[in-house]
Amino acid sequence: AIRMTQSPSSFSASTGDRVTITCRASQGISSYLAWYQQKPGKAPKLLIYAASTLQSGVPSRFSGSGSGTDFTLTISCLQSEDFATYYCQQYYSYPVTFGPGTKVDIK
Amino acid sequence: QVQLVESGGGVVQPGGSLRLSCAASGFTFSSYGMHWVRQAPGKGLEWVAFIRYDGSNKYYADSVKGRFTISRDNSKNTLYLQMNSLRAEDTAVYYCAKDKAQGGLDYWGQGTLVTVSS
Repeated sequence: AIRMTQSPSSFSASTGDRVTITCRASQGISSYLAWYQQKPGKAPKLLIYAASTLQSGVPSRFSGSGSGTDFTLTISCLQSEDFATYYCQQYYSYPVTFGPGTKVDIK
Repeated sequence: QVQLVESGGGVVQPGGSLRLSCAASGFTFSSYGMHWVRQAPGKGLEWVAFIRYDGSNKYYADSVKGRFTISRDNSKNTLYLQMNSLRAEDTAVYYCAKDKAQGGLDYWGQGTLVTVSS
């Protein structure tokens, strides 16, 4: 199975900050990567698919980049509603695998 | 609007069985693959299983292979997860999710809690 790692595992940030989360795959996955946001007690929400394509309805302050093994999720100007946990997921091959998550909380 | 509603969760003893259902509406269910994803209390997301739109192919996480079976009834717009030989480590909220053809899981249910405990 392809192993996904994320860094950092958690960090604190302030509203208005530019934040970047990194995701790494244990082998090349081309651009078969998605990013999700999850808030406590809620289902995950798809933010980005195909590594860099914004899901419909997702604010443009979210962006994704990368291919192969290294990927990033960037939030250009953190808003209060963005404090959440973020997961990457590869769908290059089965079993599908998620990263362990990155929790973004308020500084 | 797309809706996915899971049901069937509950408390079950180790070694027991449970069948989860996911009722879909708001989209052409028979045209999309579907997933089950779970989340243990306080933990991250773990993908469980996938079934193609027509049921022709199924894939499972190693942790559930041989114990869980994913299936669907396109005439009833319903996805299922039959869970046998349940273990304490299967305790989690189970989500069904719609596969986005271009990648990712674009719609999720609210989840149903499965607790395996004696």
